[in-house]
Order: sequence, then structure tokens, then C-alpha cells
Amino acid sequence: DAKTTQPPSMDCAEGRAANLPCNHSTISGNEYVYWYRQIHSQGPQYIIHGLKNNETNEMASLIITEDRKSSTLILPHATLRDTAVYYCIVRAANAGKSTFGDGTTLTVKP
Amino acid sequence: GAVVSQHPSRVICKSGTSVKIECRSLDFQATTMFWYRQFPKQSLMLMATSNEGSKATYEQGVEKDKFLINHASLTLSTLTVTSAHPEDSSFYICSARGQGWGSTEAFFGQGTRLTVV
Repeated sequence: DAKTTQPPSMDCAEGRAANLPCNHSTISGNEYVYWYRQIHSQGPQYIIHGLKNNETNEMASLIITEDRKSSTLILPHATLRDTAVYYCIVRAANAGKSTFGDGTTLTVKP
Repeated sequence: GAVVSQHPSRVICKSGTSVKIECRSLDFQATTMFWYRQFPKQSLMLMATSNEGSKATYEQGVEKDKFLINHASLTLSTLTVTSAHPEDSSFYICSARGQGWGSTEAFFGQGTRLTVV
């Protein structure tokens, strides 16, 4: 699996958009970008994933650069409950196992 | 999304005893399950991958005789920590995928907090 690089921590004001970056410069053509988050003492929660097109669901939007070497997860209106560690992972479809990096600790402040 | 349930959510055991953690897929058949371990303020580390009906594949540095994994059915995998020691205290998390899921994500259980005293 390709290695990902994320900033260790970020702050965001409640109600504002949170933009979490991820670098994956060694991503292969068949590898998807997945985002998970982990709230303290819970299992990871799936957020969104994509291959090359931008994706949006009820939780977030995923913007992938044209060269696929980086991506940004966007939480459009962050709430206090979005405070968590956010993990960006790249892996091939059907690969199954996920290799977790250190993630970004997002703190949403009132 | 699909549901993966772990039991127990918390367990305290004495040094030298064994403890079993269950991971169940509640609404799908999990052909592959993964076991992770997470120490405080650290990321998840994959311990092993188990496929239904076959032996688990362990990651480098994980003792297969200490962490016994059984995946006897398509909805249940168990992790048994044998002869537990305080350094085995950690947060253990499982995830599961179904066959032919393609890019569909794996679903994670809520985790089991193991404390060895």
C-alpha cells in the first residue's frame, strides 16, 4: 500500500469548513483513496473513498488532484462532534487490509 | 452501512490468563476479517488477516502462538490473547469485508479495551 502523509493536527471553528489534506505521491493506478475517522476509544468510521473523480456524500466531500498525488477531505460545516483523528489510506480494491498512518487530529472549537 | 460487532467492549484479566475477543458481522458474510491493535496515542497496527476456513496470516513481529485467531464461520472471528501480560494491554479492533466487494470499504467493530493486571 502507498504511504500517506498528513499533518499531525488541525483546528477548525465550529460551523466552518474543515479541509484535511493528504499526500500520497506514490499511489498506484489501481489504488483508491479512503478516509476514516476515529473518535476517542471507538473503532474507525468510514467516511468516503474515491479513485480519481471527486466524491461527495452526506458526511463529506473528497477532492483528488488530477495527478492523484494528493487529496483533501472537506467537512463542509464542522461540528464539535467532528473532533476526531482522521486517517487517509490508499489501497487497491479487494486488497482488504488497510495500513493506517498517524492521521490528523482535528479539533473543532466553539 | 454494514455492521461489525465486537464483544466484549472492555475486559480486565489477570496476568497469565487468556482472554477471547469476538468479532461478528451482523448483516453480511465476512470472508475476510482483520485484527488491529492500538496503543494509547498511536495509530492502528495490523496484527493479522484471517480468511474463513483457513489459517490466519500474521504480520511481521506478531506472535501467532500468543494471538490465536479463529475464523470458523462467515460471520465470526475470534482473537484469543494467551498468557496475557500487562504489555498486552491495548485496544483491539477488528474489521471485516465480504467477498467480491471490490472497492467497498471494510467495516470496523467498536473495539475491545483489554487491561491486563
